Amino acid sequence: TQLLEQSPQFLSIQEGENLTVYCNSSSVFSSLQWYRQEPGEGPVLLVTVVTGGEVKKLKRLTFQFGDARKDSSLHITAAQPGDTGLYLCAPRASGGGADGLTFGKGTHLIIQP
Amino acid sequence: SAVISQKPSRDICQRGTSLTIQCQVDSQVTMMFWYRQQPGQSLTLIATANQGSEATYESGFVIDKFPISRPNLTFSTLTVSNMSPEDSSIYLCSALGARDEKLFFGSGTQLSVL
Repeated sequence: TQLLEQSPQFLSIQEGENLTVYCNSSSVFSSLQWYRQEPGEGPVLLVTVVTGGEVKKLKRLTFQFGDARKDSSLHITAAQPGDTGLYLCAPRASGGGADGLTFGKGTHLIIQP
Repeated sequence: SAVISQKPSRDICQRGTSLTIQCQVDSQVTMMFWYRQQPGQSLTLIATANQGSEATYESGFVIDKFPISRPNLTFSTLTVSNMSPEDSSIYLCSALGARDEKLFFGSGTQLSVL
């Protein structure tokens, strides 16, 4: 069983600040996905990272996959109230292509105007 | 992409009763899953809904408590049986996209058991 840790669990910051959320494990993953969930909705995929060291940008969001493919980070620049939500990482182990995803415990992010 | 419609969106039920949640996908998908999300928590996979055969349950979840049907490639139901207050949670249906292993989710069913 993989041990998956997300940190911080809760984060409340002011609009315009920067923040980084982390997803760490002792296991190696073939890929990792980040989802964002807003209240009353299901999670929505933000990005999939596949290659060790890969960096992907989605507007003000920057996602990085660790070189060893055991960890990932999500950095938000100049956070806005619309970024508020639950951020979930979901790694996929090798050969787990058609399995349901296991999600981290998530980071509850609140951006105060 | 896939659009998932889930109903009911919320319900309040009495202890000992059962509730069936329906999930409709607007396109044929190979894999469908049911998740539970307890208040303020992350998602926990309940089971994989297999088309034409019995669902595959994760550890801690059993068919008698959470019977699942999937009669075709676009529809599935989850029943929460003999409910207790501990079953109060959000139940989410999801489907795996064919191309990039992206999971699509319904908006969830918020269940409260009194």
